[in-house]
Amino acid sequence: AQSVSQHNHHVILSEAASLELGCNYSYGGTVNLFWYVQYPGQHLQLLLKYFSGDPLVKGIKGFEAEFIKSKFSFNLRKPSVQWSDTAEYFCAVNAHLEYSGGGADGLTFGKGTHLIIQP
Amino acid sequence: GAVVSQHPSRVICKSGTSVKIECRSLDFQATTMFWYRQFPKQSLMLMATSNEGSKATYEQGVEKDKFLINHASLTLSTLTVTSAHPEDSSFYICSARFGRRDTQYFGPGTRLTVL
Repeated sequence: AQSVSQHNHHVILSEAASLELGCNYSYGGTVNLFWYVQYPGQHLQLLLKYFSGDPLVKGIKGFEAEFIKSKFSFNLRKPSVQWSDTAEYFCAVNAHLEYSGGGADGLTFGKGTHLIIQP
Repeated sequence: GAVVSQHPSRVICKSGTSVKIECRSLDFQATTMFWYRQFPKQSLMLMATSNEGSKATYEQGVEKDKFLINHASLTLSTLTVTSAHPEDSSFYICSARFGRRDTQYFGPGTRLTVL
C-alpha cells in the first residue's frame, strides 16, 4: 500500500516569497503523482500531475513540481507567491498500472499543507 | 475542467436512519467514480472505487453493507450510509474520471452530521 507524507502542515509566507512544499511517498512500485489545491470554500482542483517522462512538471498558476525517484519525492514549488495562493495543498499518489496503460485507481493523499500568504 | 456535483451539500439526520448522497458528472461520462471520506483536519481517505455497471470495490476496513454504492449510469453514483451513527459524521467527497489515465475531478463534498 502507498503512503504519502507532507512535511509542512502550516506555512506562512509573505507575498513574492518563494514556495516549496515537501511531499514524500512510500510505495514499492511505479507511481503517478499529483498535487491538488483546495481554495477556501471550494472543492479540490488539480494543480499538476506526473505520469511519466520529464520529471519536472509545470502546472497551472505558475506552480511546478519535480519528481525525484531516488528520494521518493515530488515537491511543489512556486518562485513568487501571491495572496490568492492561500489554500490547502494536497499531495497524492496512485499506483501506476503497466497493464492498463499507466492508469490506476483511487488516490492516497497526504495530510495537506495549509498555506497562508500575507499581503 | 470537468464539473462534478454532489447533493446534498449538507445533511443532518438522526441516528439509525439512512442517508443517500448523489455524485454527478455534469459534462462528461464517468466510467469510474471514487468515494472519499475526510475527518476534521485530516486527509482524504479512499473508501471505494465504483465502475459503471459493476460492483464497487471497497478499501480495507470499509464496511460494504454500511456504505452502499451504486453506479447505475455513466453520470451518477450514489453513496448510501445505512443505519447511520454519530461516528459516521464526516465530510464525504466523490470524484469522477473518464478513462484510466484521466484526471480525477472532485465534487464539492457533503457534510454529514448524525445526531
